[in-house]
Amino acid sequence: AQTVTQSQPEMSVQEAETVTLSCTYDTSESDYYLFWYKQPPSRQMILVIRQEAYKQQNATENRFSVNFQKAAKSFSLKISDSQLGDAAMYFCAYRPQYLLQGAQKLVFGQGTRLTINP
Amino acid sequence: GAGVSQSPSNKVTEKGKDVELRCDPISGHTALYWYRQRLGQGLEFLIYFQGNSAPDKSGLPSDRFSAERTGESVSTLTIQRTQQEDSAVYLCASSLWGGNTEAFFGQGTRLTVV
Repeated sequence: AQTVTQSQPEMSVQEAETVTLSCTYDTSESDYYLFWYKQPPSRQMILVIRQEAYKQQNATENRFSVNFQKAAKSFSLKISDSQLGDAAMYFCAYRPQYLLQGAQKLVFGQGTRLTINP
Repeated sequence: GAGVSQSPSNKVTEKGKDVELRCDPISGHTALYWYRQRLGQGLEFLIYFQGNSAPDKSGLPSDRFSAERTGESVSTLTIQRTQQEDSAVYLCASSLWGGNTEAFFGQGTRLTVV
């Protein structure tokens, strides 16, 4: 079974600085998708960024970028120029590519609580 | 609707009572997920529906938990004989069919068992 591990329960960063959140995963599949979701206090889960495993280029969305290391099964999220609105729980998630029954199950890590210090 | 809608937003129930939680997915989304999130914890997978296929129930923690979905419409998660350990936020998500498609989440139902 696939597992996702986030080893940092909490992180903090000064406003305007850069922070990196770690995520590792375990799978025997070669094709899959990885996601970072943000959950602010409102509880609303918001997709931040996604990465296709077959793509070597790291995904980027404005201030958010990932460092995808397929061989190491690592998928870290870098937030540049941190803003107060970035404060939230961040969850890393995995989903296999193949559309078999049950195969689209999204598996989440335990989350990292990010605090932004003004 | 514009997004995934869950009801009720909050539910307080007495231990031993049954509860039903409702999820209205985004129209056209064939995939629907239920997750449980205990306070300060990650998302624990409960059940996954894909169109008219048999659901993946591998995450249901006990036989007190069940869920139904008719076609690609509303889903209900039922917890029978609730226990205090069932207190959590129950999140529903829906998506189109495809591995890279975004899952859209509702705001969850906060269940408190007293």
